[in-house]
Amino acid sequence: ELKVEQNPLFLSMQEGKNYTIYCNYSTTSDRLYWYRQDPGKSLESLFVLLSNGAVKQEGRLMASLDTKARLSTLHITAAVHDLSATYFCAVDMSGSNSGYALNFGKGTSLLVTP
Amino acid sequence: DSGVTQTPKHLITATGQRVTLRCSPRSGDLSVYWYQQSLDQGLQFLIQYYNGEERAKGNILERFSAQQFPDLHSELNLSSLELGDSALYFCASSGGLRQRLTNTIYFGEGSWLTVV
Repeated sequence: ELKVEQNPLFLSMQEGKNYTIYCNYSTTSDRLYWYRQDPGKSLESLFVLLSNGAVKQEGRLMASLDTKARLSTLHITAAVHDLSATYFCAVDMSGSNSGYALNFGKGTSLLVTP
Repeated sequence: DSGVTQTPKHLITATGQRVTLRCSPRSGDLSVYWYQQSLDQGLQFLIQYYNGEERAKGNILERFSAQQFPDLHSELNLSSLELGDSALYFCASSGGLRQRLTNTIYFGEGSWLTVV
């Protein structure tokens, strides 16, 4: 059974600081997803990482994937309050050519304080 | 707005009852997925349909069933409801085979189900 572990689960950080969220998974997969969720809201797609060494950046967020280590990171640079949300990583466990079955981590609740 | 539409947004029902959640995928998307989000179980994959056919099954209870219709909309049927079924149910969609390598999965706003 594919397990996806995120850490930390809770993160309080000051504005302007940098931090990294880690996502480990237990079996091989060729794709990893990062989503953001605001309280009571939908999941917003942030990144789709498709290969070993993939790095993607959007604003203050940068995601990377190391398939050999089965590890993805989400790095936050110079945090601002608007980044406060819950961040999920998810790994495709289907191996199918016609869709995806995502196994989600428990999420990292991020609070950015002044 | 992801383009995935779910109805109803909120639903309160009694134990033992049956409800149907409806989902319209993004225009052109052939795959529809159902996920359940609850405090104790987190986000769990339930089932996937591709162009009308069931393609993958996750932790979906036998009391739950789904289908995808020829117009690609999908319904999730929940029966003999229990208190523990209270959760946020998400529908998501993604494109067809040719788009797989760059495919993003888009989530709807969810249907809040409260069983009392």
